[in-house]
Amino acid sequence: GENVEQHPSTLSVQEGDSAVIKCTYSDSASNYFPWYKQELGKRPQLIIDIRSNVGEKKDQRIAVTLNKTAKHFSLHITETQPEDSAVYFCAASPNTGGFKTIFGAGTRLFVKA
Amino acid sequence: NAGVTQTPKFRILKIGQSMTLQCTQDMNHNYMYWYRQDPGMGLKLIYYSVGAGITDKGEVPNGYNVSRSTTEDFPLRLELAAPSQTSVYFCASSYDLRLGAAKNIQYFGAGTRLSVL
Repeated sequence: GENVEQHPSTLSVQEGDSAVIKCTYSDSASNYFPWYKQELGKRPQLIIDIRSNVGEKKDQRIAVTLNKTAKHFSLHITETQPEDSAVYFCAASPNTGGFKTIFGAGTRLFVKA
Repeated sequence: NAGVTQTPKFRILKIGQSMTLQCTQDMNHNYMYWYRQDPGMGLKLIYYSVGAGITDKGEVPNGYNVSRSTTEDFPLRLELAAPSQTSVYFCASSYDLRLGAAKNIQYFGAGTRLSVL
């Protein structure tokens, strides 16, 4: 079945450094790729997303890139801050009527002050 | 708008007991979802619904049932609770008919933390 692999599972960076999280998806029909942030004990919330007709999208300190040929997409966080510490989930949504989204297993990001 | 509301927030069940997790949304979303999140893990889709009267299985449907009698409500039923169902359950909804299907942004409820002992 459809699968989304996410790496690394844990990432520790120094405040001010950049963080990169990578995902690979299997379903060629996927055309929408959201990223969710989940703080400890809270609900997941969308932070950025990208559609398959776009290669890169940026929103302040976060950016997402997509390589549809290789079925890879990545989240880039620059100038990391302690409040960026959370679990980040990538996801892929197929272009079907069910809009079923498959999530990656998550990356726990620690930003050390 | 309140968004997606889940009740209860916490629940402890004994093995074999039954319960219903409630989920309601006031955003006129036609798609709704139930996920479970085990400790330190990602989200696994249990069931989803594309509209009132229509439901379908996700990745891990065994041991659960759902119904969708209205657009707003999507309850999740556990019939015979087992320790393996100890998890945090999230309900989500997406797709505002008034705005069109430009994006499948999912809005999550605050979650229900369930322990089966």
